[in-house]
Amino acid sequence: DIQMTQSPASLSASLGETVTIECRASEDIYSNLAWYQQKPGNSPQLLIYDANSLADGVPSRFSGSGSGTQYSLKINSLQSEDVASYFCQQYNNYPFTFGSGTKLEIK
Amino acid sequence: QVQLQQSGAELAKPGTSVKLSCKASGYTFTSYYIYWVKQRPGQGLEWIGYIYPGNGGTYYSEKFKGKATFTADTSSSTAYMLLGSLTPEDSAYYFCARGSPDYFDYWGQGVMVTVSS
Repeated sequence: DIQMTQSPASLSASLGETVTIECRASEDIYSNLAWYQQKPGNSPQLLIYDANSLADGVPSRFSGSGSGTQYSLKINSLQSEDVASYFCQQYNNYPFTFGSGTKLEIK
Repeated sequence: QVQLQQSGAELAKPGTSVKLSCKASGYTFTSYYIYWVKQRPGQGLEWIGYIYPGNGGTYYSEKFKGKATFTADTSSSTAYMLLGSLTPEDSAYYFCARGSPDYFDYWGQGVMVTVSS
């Protein structure tokens, strides 16, 4: 199985800041990577697919990048509604696997 | 609009089974995969597998083979997951999600399964 190592596990930042979350795959996943946002008490929501494509309705302050085994999610101009947990997911090989998540809080 | 409506919370005894449902609307049910994901409270996400309602094809993560069984009723646009031989380790939220085809663009609201004697 492909292991997805996500960092940091938690993150505290101020409103308006830019934050970056990283995900490293145990082997090349050829940009077959998605990012999801899960707000407390809710189901996950798709943010990014194919490593850098923005899902419908997602604010442009979210962006994804990376290739090979290294990927990142960047959130510009942090807003209060961005408080959530964020997960990466590879879909290059079965079984699809998720990162362990990053919990984002506002300072 | 696309919606996945999951059944209500379940309380089950160890050794029994529960059947979870996921009713799809707003799109052609037979044209998209339905995936199932497990999340223990406060924990990460675990991929269980999928069913493709178009032909009934299924795939299970090795960990869930023998634990989960997927079916789909195309007449009602509803996917099901049967969880058998329940143990306390099966207590979790279970989500269904639409695959497009491999990333999950719409999710159900989730259902809590509690296994307790």
